[in-house]
Amino acid sequence: GDSVTQTEGQVALSEEDFLTIHCNYSASGYPALFWYVQYPGEGPQFLFRASRDKEKGSSRGFEATYDKGTTSFHLRKASVQESDSAVYYCALGGGSALGRLHFGAGTQLIVIP
Amino acid sequence: ETAVFQTPNYHVTQVGNEVSFNCKQTLGHDTMYWYKQDSKKLLKIMFSYNNKQLIVNETVPRRFSPQSSDKAHLNLRIKSVEPEDSAVYLCASSYANSDYTFGSGTRLLVI
Repeated sequence: GDSVTQTEGQVALSEEDFLTIHCNYSASGYPALFWYVQYPGEGPQFLFRASRDKEKGSSRGFEATYDKGTTSFHLRKASVQESDSAVYYCALGGGSALGRLHFGAGTQLIVIP
Repeated sequence: ETAVFQTPNYHVTQVGNEVSFNCKQTLGHDTMYWYKQDSKKLLKIMFSYNNKQLIVNETVPRRFSPQSSDKAHLNLRIKSVEPEDSAVYLCASSYANSDYTFGSGTRLLVI
């Protein structure tokens, strides 16, 4: 079945560091890929999505590029801020996951001022 | 304001009780969902409901049941709660497999 793998359970960085959170997926068909962010006490919030190979999604300084060849959708940000501290989820939708989002395990980002 | 609204925010109950959570969306979406988020922050789909078609995750215990009166409402009932049901229950909605929007969640503690 469809699956999403986030290799980092937790990432700790200093302000202005470069961020990479790895996301790889396995799916039949051609899924859409998403990044969500969740702050304490809130539900996940949509960051951005990409629907086709080589498409780049971006929002709030975060970006990721859909790579069908490596089945990846890695999240990057050039300079993190303390306010970026949150849990980040990679997800896929569509394809055989039609009608639902299938989430990775999430990555806790801690940014130290 | 257009969003997904969940009530209650927090609920504490004893093992064996019945609980019901409410969800309403004002986004005009056509599909609604219930997700369970456990203590490790893992998000698992429980149900999706579209045009009166219910899709159930087969791993969900039968004591859980969704209840929908129309496209804007999807409630969740749990008959006879168990300790392992303690979690955050997140309602979401979407349109055409896009624009997935989540509510802020209902935190359930079973004692």
